[in-house]
Amino acid sequence: KAGVTQTPRYLIKTRGQQVTLSCSPISGHRSVSWYQQTPGQGLQFLFEYFSETQRNKGNFPGRFSGRQFSNSRSEMNVSTLELGDSALYLCASSSSQGHWELFFGEGSRLTVL
Amino acid sequence: AQSVAQPEDQVNVAEGNPLTVKCTYSVSGNPYLFWYVQYPNRGLQFLLKYITGDNLVKGSYGFEAEFNKSQTSFHLKKPSALVSDSALYFCAVRDAAFLIKAAGNKLTFGGGTRVLVKP
Repeated sequence: KAGVTQTPRYLIKTRGQQVTLSCSPISGHRSVSWYQQTPGQGLQFLFEYFSETQRNKGNFPGRFSGRQFSNSRSEMNVSTLELGDSALYLCASSSSQGHWELFFGEGSRLTVL
Repeated sequence: AQSVAQPEDQVNVAEGNPLTVKCTYSVSGNPYLFWYVQYPNRGLQFLLKYITGDNLVKGSYGFEAEFNKSQTSFHLKKPSALVSDSALYFCAVRDAAFLIKAAGNKLTFGGGTRVLVKP
């Protein structure tokens, strides 16, 4: 099976712009979660989607949003980018057939200038 | 609320020596516990998990972890460390009743421990 695929791997934006990150989960996985990783804050939960519904959301401002499509692929969007949004954004998928352990993609590294 | 503590920011060990990375957790119910490893500029790789049963869990790359309910700990161990084990290690926890509680599949991660194995 192919793993979790995230695109793009690297991107550079300027303050005020918006960005969309994409995640394709492992085939058959219906849960997709997003995490932000920064040196100062570590790994922080953004949100989780299951069967196109947001099931849980972390403590991030409304500029951070996401969605999941019927094929379980997910996107997250960050609007009005700030310097502090520079981070590695990690997507993870999980299956309800096991114990829901997360399998992560390689991440999308966002740099905001 | 659930939380994880990894008390050591960095662990240094000589190659061939035993490696231990510490983790303590807090969760209201029974825990599901996980260890992940991250290499530079990569995502997190799943190492092992504790769900129930035997307190000693064996995982990938020769790693194992011991669940201790009374001490609320889940320390990661490897009998003989390799230079290639140098990486960032994360412990994570989730309440076992997360679906019943409608909490969703949210893992709470510790701050990470950097492991440096010297030749």
